[in-house]
Amino acid sequence: DSGVTQTPKHLITATGQRVTLRCSPRSGDLSVYWYQQSLDQGLQFLIQYYNGEERAKGNILERFSAQQFPDLHSELNLSSLELGDSALYFCASSVGDGRSGEQNIQYFGAGTRLSVL
Amino acid sequence: AQSVTQPDIHITVSEGASLELRCNYSYGATPYLFWYVQSPGQGLQLLLKYFSGDTLVQGIKGFEAEFKRSQSSFNLRKPSVHWSDAAEYFCAVVRTGGGNKLTFGTGTQLKVEL
Repeated sequence: DSGVTQTPKHLITATGQRVTLRCSPRSGDLSVYWYQQSLDQGLQFLIQYYNGEERAKGNILERFSAQQFPDLHSELNLSSLELGDSALYFCASSVGDGRSGEQNIQYFGAGTRLSVL
Repeated sequence: AQSVTQPDIHITVSEGASLELRCNYSYGATPYLFWYVQSPGQGLQLLLKYFSGDTLVQGIKGFEAEFKRSQSSFNLRKPSVHWSDAAEYFCAVVRTGGGNKLTFGTGTQLKVEL
């Protein structure tokens, strides 16, 4: 158990809908990261938050947004869903924001499997 | 842009045999290097990491990896594979001094024959 909790484990929805994925980081970790794993794109970085502020952005669509709350949990919002958004979405957390070695280590949750029908 | 190459998509080994999974990266400086393992229905578990220093690093579950700067490689090895090692293995890098985004390879699916 990594200590990173993601809910729900599975989500089935229809095209055009909006969903929210939730992540609770490990105790003491200030950074939260979101990744998407799909068959055609592999594992791709979406976005990073550090202590409530956006720190880095990757290949995240405009239809997707995220935030990190004062209690450090994070939510990834996916809207106007398309078939191609079906994927496994991972959350990871680390102590630091990326400026030092050991504090960079990212620990992953079990993921949320999103199926868009 | 940095990239990570795992040239072997699938590898099959017999239980008890040795294993080497290849990873090459493309980046101007030495990045931080990681190996993660993903079992079916599970998240990504960190096997080992390299930041600096000794180029041979030990990880969990009996795995080790060797960083070779001249070859831009960070290959994962295990002397004797167990059936429970069947999983998908991902090599990943982080650009030093510039955020903490993990760039992953495409993964190597390991099958273990009994």
